[in-house]
Amino acid sequence: EVQLVESGGGLVQPGGSLRLSCAASGFTFSSYWMTWVRQAPGKGLEWVANIKEDGSEKYYVDSLKGRFTISRDNAKNSLYLQMNSLRAEDTAVYYCARDIGPGIGDNWGQGTLVTVSS
Amino acid sequence: EIVLTQSPATLSLSPGERATLSCRASQSVSSYLAWYQQKPGQAPRLLIYDASNRATGIPGRFSGSGSGTDFTLTISSLEPEDFAVYYCQQRSNWPYTFGQGTKLEIK
Repeated sequence: EVQLVESGGGLVQPGGSLRLSCAASGFTFSSYWMTWVRQAPGKGLEWVANIKEDGSEKYYVDSLKGRFTISRDNAKNSLYLQMNSLRAEDTAVYYCARDIGPGIGDNWGQGTLVTVSS
Repeated sequence: EIVLTQSPATLSLSPGERATLSCRASQSVSSYLAWYQQKPGQAPRLLIYDASNRATGIPGRFSGSGSGTDFTLTISSLEPEDFAVYYCQQRSNWPYTFGQGTKLEIK
């Protein structure tokens, strides 16, 4: 069974940093693109970033470029999202997803809440 | 950026009825469109990918159609567990984008 478990969310002050992790199991992690998608409270979904199977290609939504970095460790079956210079508008639940496309999230974690507030 | 517009915003129907949800793209996305279901407090669930392909484990009452700029998700006979928010999403061009969602509520 595919399992994705996010961690690392929490309360952070504006301008601060946070690193999210996603632990994957139940599939060959190194064979899939992986994705982060976020959802602000009461709002819709936003596709944040994608990373290729071997980490050689990474894509970010324009509004986040330079502040967020997606990475992965295939030896640890883990996906990461390093978030710097956080703003109030980054407050959201962050989901990791297995990507069978790229661009098709077929299995999702339960999400981790990031709150940016002073 | 490709904008996806879903209609209606809210759809009120009864169990057993047929649901038709629409998604229109601001430019052609070919067949690179997916549909997701999301219930309160839960992660999205993939229903349909590439316009008409049902994801693993998705019941046959869910079907997708369309290409280019106009797409439809049809639920042939609503079950109580189908009342949720539905999102379309395109993967034709980066950044991948979602529609704003259609809330399917019990009438």
